[in-house]
Amino acid sequence: NAGVTQTPKFQVLKTGQSMTLQCAQDMNHNSMYWYRQDPGMGLRLIYYSASEGTTDKGEVPNGYNVSRLNKREFSLRLESAAPSQTSVYFCASSGPGQALHSNQPQHFGDGTRLSIL
Amino acid sequence: GQQLNQSPQSMFIQEGEDVSMNCTSSSIFNTWLWYKQDPGEGPVLLIALYKAGELTSNGRLTAQFGITRKDSFLNISASIPSDVGIYFCAGGVQGAQKLVFGQGTRLTINP
Repeated sequence: NAGVTQTPKFQVLKTGQSMTLQCAQDMNHNSMYWYRQDPGMGLRLIYYSASEGTTDKGEVPNGYNVSRLNKREFSLRLESAAPSQTSVYFCASSGPGQALHSNQPQHFGDGTRLSIL
Repeated sequence: GQQLNQSPQSMFIQEGEDVSMNCTSSSIFNTWLWYKQDPGEGPVLLIALYKAGELTSNGRLTAQFGITRKDSFLNISASIPSDVGIYFCAGGVQGAQKLVFGQGTRLTINP
């Protein structure tokens, strides 16, 4: 039972480098999410995808792009990394309810720890 | 936007003590969820609440969906060392397809 798998688990980047964080879920969930977690600030939503083919901005989308590659995979891209993007990034998924039934619990991966120098 | 106020931010207790934490909001939610996060891992769902007034237990954990739908409570009875971690509440609004998370309660247990 893999659930939500994130790769890589750790990464160090230099300012200005680009990188894509990968996320895949095997629970046939419709919805997928990307969060960042910073000390004292809890989980903040970056982008989400309510269903395959759709993506929407969350609370802190600036500096990020996402791609819902298929139902299983949702990637997060940093085009030009900045030190302020040093954080722990979590991917989550929920479903398989219909789009209007949004209250399905979200299941999280173990995170990607990203440091930008 | 919607915000959740989770309290306390941190707790330092003795093993065996009971724990209480809560989340409040100025907005109404249709769903309340409680998660626990261990160091180096992602949050794991503990309890899900879907109805105002609902009281649900999961072992030594009990959570309640406030009758006003603006708050929720989590209680842990007879704490043990493995209860250490960060506990998050999250609220969901039907149709919004998103959850709002509290800032977390960090629980530390002194043996």
